[in-house]
Amino acid sequence: DAKTTQPPSMDCAEGRAANLPCNHSTISGNEYVYWYRQIHSQGPQYIIHGLKNNETNEMASLIITEDRKSSTLILPHATLRDTAVYYCIVRVAPEIQGAQKLVFGQGTRLTINP
Amino acid sequence: DTAVSQTPKYLVTQMGNDKSIKCEQNLGHDTMYWYKQDSKKFLKIMFSYNNKELIINETVPNRFSPKSPDKAHLNLHINSLELGDSAVYFCASSQLLAGDYEQYFGPGTRLTVT
Repeated sequence: DAKTTQPPSMDCAEGRAANLPCNHSTISGNEYVYWYRQIHSQGPQYIIHGLKNNETNEMASLIITEDRKSSTLILPHATLRDTAVYYCIVRVAPEIQGAQKLVFGQGTRLTINP
Repeated sequence: DTAVSQTPKYLVTQMGNDKSIKCEQNLGHDTMYWYKQDSKKFLKIMFSYNNKELIINETVPNRFSPKSPDKAHLNLHINSLELGDSAVYFCASSQLLAGDYEQYFGPGTRLTVT
């Protein structure tokens, strides 16, 4: 699975959009980009994933560059509850059920300030 | 209506003891996992089971033995506990659908070995 690079920490004001970058310059054509987050003392939570098109759900938007070497997770109106560590993960879609291994890096610690 | 539950939430024990952590999911998923998050906050997969069959075993010491009595349960038994086993252990589950998936994590079990 391709390696990802994220800034170790970011700050964002409450109510503003939080834009979290992720670099995955060695991504292969069949690898998806996943985002998870971990709020303090809780288990990781799935946010969104995509292959090459931009994606949006009720939590966030995922913008993937045309060359797929980087992506940005956007939290449109950040709240204090969005303070967490955000993980960008790149991996192929598993062919075997049960082989869906997530490899977590250090992630970005996002702090939402009032 | 908890999706993935773990017991106990906290476990404090002495070196050399044997302990078990239980995990249950009510999502109807076929696959379950165990992850370990150490003191440096790195989250690493340990095992995955699909329909009670071991799929992933990430070079975990033999002292760790997962057991899946049915596809809704995946327990983790640890023999001869060592100081280095102190960590937060997360259970997760998923269901492979059309080549992509998300994993649902439990709240974690904080194991402290003294």
